[in-house]
Amino acid sequence: NAGVTQTPKFRILKIGQSMTLQCAQDMNHNYMYWYRQDPGMGLKLIYYSVGAGITDKGEVPNGYNVSRSTTEDFPLRLELAAPSQTSVYFCASSYDRRGEKLFFGSGTQLSVL
Amino acid sequence: AQSVTQLDSQVPVFEEAPVELRCNYSSSVSVYLFWYVQYPNQGLQLLLKYLSGSTLVKGINGFEAEFNKSQTSFHLRKPSVHISDTAEYFCAVRSTNDYKLSFGAGTTVTVRA
Repeated sequence: NAGVTQTPKFRILKIGQSMTLQCAQDMNHNYMYWYRQDPGMGLKLIYYSVGAGITDKGEVPNGYNVSRSTTEDFPLRLELAAPSQTSVYFCASSYDRRGEKLFFGSGTQLSVL
Repeated sequence: AQSVTQLDSQVPVFEEAPVELRCNYSSSVSVYLFWYVQYPNQGLQLLLKYLSGSTLVKGINGFEAEFNKSQTSFHLRKPSVHISDTAEYFCAVRSTNDYKLSFGAGTTVTVRA
């Protein structure tokens, strides 16, 4: 079982460039989330989705956009990359509304120079 | 809104010794509580969760945690650690009327022979 798949695993961007972090899950989960992890800060929620066509902001949405056209895919878009967006990004999904168990991808390490 | 404080950022421990990781939370409503583990270069995995019922919950790999409502704590314990328990541990909380998790900053456990 693939679970939650994130691509790419590593990426270096120049300031002002744009890119899309891909996330796909094959568990038919309705709920999907994007987190960023910074050293000593834990995980911060960027955006989340409760189903295809429905997305909402988390704690730190500025500088990011998302879309959810299908149940399986939840891409995260960075339009104008900034050094403050250097982080490790995790996508996660869950089956039910209570989110009692999140399934995480292996992460994307992004550096903006 | 809810928040989580992990009281120890780093915990060094010898193999076969016990370990306790402390977690305190704040919330104005009832909560669900979780511990996740992150092994090097991997995504997070659920260790255990408290949703309701018995305040002592057991998880995978010999870990257990106790929910203490009066002290708003959810400390994680293991009576005898192994080298393979070296990882970062995250406490997380979710209000019962929401589906977004809030994570603590994490505790790095390093097990030495």
